[in-house]
Amino acid sequence: AQSVTQPDIHITVSEGASLELRCNYSYGATPYLFWYVQSPGQGLQLLLKYFSGDTLVQGIKGFEAEFKRSQSSFNLRKPSVHWSDAAEYFCAVAAMFSGGYNKLIFGAGTRLAVHP
Amino acid sequence: GAGVSQSPRYKVAKRGQDVALRCDPISGHVSLFWYQQALGQGPEFLTYFQNEAQLDKSGLPSDRFFAERPEGSVSTLKIQRTQQEDSAVYLCASSSKQGRGTDTQYFGPGTRLTVL
Repeated sequence: AQSVTQPDIHITVSEGASLELRCNYSYGATPYLFWYVQSPGQGLQLLLKYFSGDTLVQGIKGFEAEFKRSQSSFNLRKPSVHWSDAAEYFCAVAAMFSGGYNKLIFGAGTRLAVHP
Repeated sequence: GAGVSQSPRYKVAKRGQDVALRCDPISGHVSLFWYQQALGQGPEFLTYFQNEAQLDKSGLPSDRFFAERPEGSVSTLKIQRTQQEDSAVYLCASSSKQGRGTDTQYFGPGTRLTVL
């Protein structure tokens, strides 16, 4: 069965420090992978996505993620965190079903706190 | 144009009441998804529409949950005889094409339902 695991429930970093959020997936075929961010009281905003090709993908707000098939991972990184990055981050995989459509399967999320 | 909108943003219901949650997708978007997000969890798929056709309702927790999209645009998620375990944020997402894995899903702000 398809699944997404985000091993870190909470992460705290200092402003200006680097960040890596971990994501592992379980999916039989080539995965379509996404990272979304959710600020309090807000919906989900897409940060970046991977479909194929270059395994290092760039997203908005200075985020990037690297797809590693051998490790079934899609970790999110940012070289220098800003206080406004404090939010909850969700990794997701698009799982295809027999009707030819996809639904997103999300991890439980990682809550990021940023110290000044 | 405007993004996905949902109303109401907050709903408090007494146990046993019926509620209706509305989603206005991005104009022209073919696909519409409903997700349920329990506190501290990632969103979980409820149901999927392609235009007015409900192609997948496998995620609806019980027969008390009902969704419709009669004209292929606005959708309503109805919960009958609400229970405390229905308390969650209900997210709506739309995408421009037919739900393929490469299609970006755009999320609304959600409706936070609290059942007392």
